[in-house]
Amino acid sequence: GNSVTQMEGPVTLSEEAFLTINCTYTATGYPSLFWYVQYPGEGLQLLLKATKADDKGSNKGFEATYRKETTSFHLEKGSVQVSDSAVYFCALNQVNDYKLSFGAGTTVTVRA
Amino acid sequence: SQTIHQWPATLVQPVGSPLSLECTVEGTSNPNLYWYRQAAGRGLQLLFYSVGIGQISSEVPQNLSASRPQDRQFILSSKKLLLSDSGFYLCAWSPRTSGTNTGELFFGEGSRLTVL
Repeated sequence: GNSVTQMEGPVTLSEEAFLTINCTYTATGYPSLFWYVQYPGEGLQLLLKATKADDKGSNKGFEATYRKETTSFHLEKGSVQVSDSAVYFCALNQVNDYKLSFGAGTTVTVRA
Repeated sequence: SQTIHQWPATLVQPVGSPLSLECTVEGTSNPNLYWYRQAAGRGLQLLFYSVGIGQISSEVPQNLSASRPQDRQFILSSKKLLLSDSGFYLCAWSPRTSGTNTGELFFGEGSRLTVL
């Protein structure tokens, strides 16, 4: 079956530091890959997505590239802000499947 | 534009009491609907999903149930809550596109349930 593995947190950074959150997946075929973000006390919202190999998703300074050869979709941001403090979830979805498979989530705290 | 509402936002219930969480979607038709649970310090667990009125698929055995009495209404229920039911419950929807899920889920703000 499908599964997603994220690096465990929590991750604590200083403002303007570089952030990487690793995500690898197991799936048959060619899934779509997603990063969702959950700010404190809120629901999840889509941060970025990629639907085929070598696609790069980007939003709000975050980027992730769909790497089929390494089955990875690592999230990166070059200079984080305090407002980036949140829980980040990697997820995948197969064509014709109604369900997303989520990773366990990584808590990121950015200190001023 | 589409919006999703779920309520109540916060709930404190004694063990053995009933539960009803409600979710409604506006601005779209025939959505796929989902209930997820997020236990403290853990990831998201899919509890139920629905592709149409009266059609409910359960992902994990538990003392919770779900119903979809109307196209854009999804209800999560329990007859008798357990301590382990505590958590953050998230309703979500996705558009139905030619029988496939486009992948993107739109989440409500969540309902925090504490069972004492």
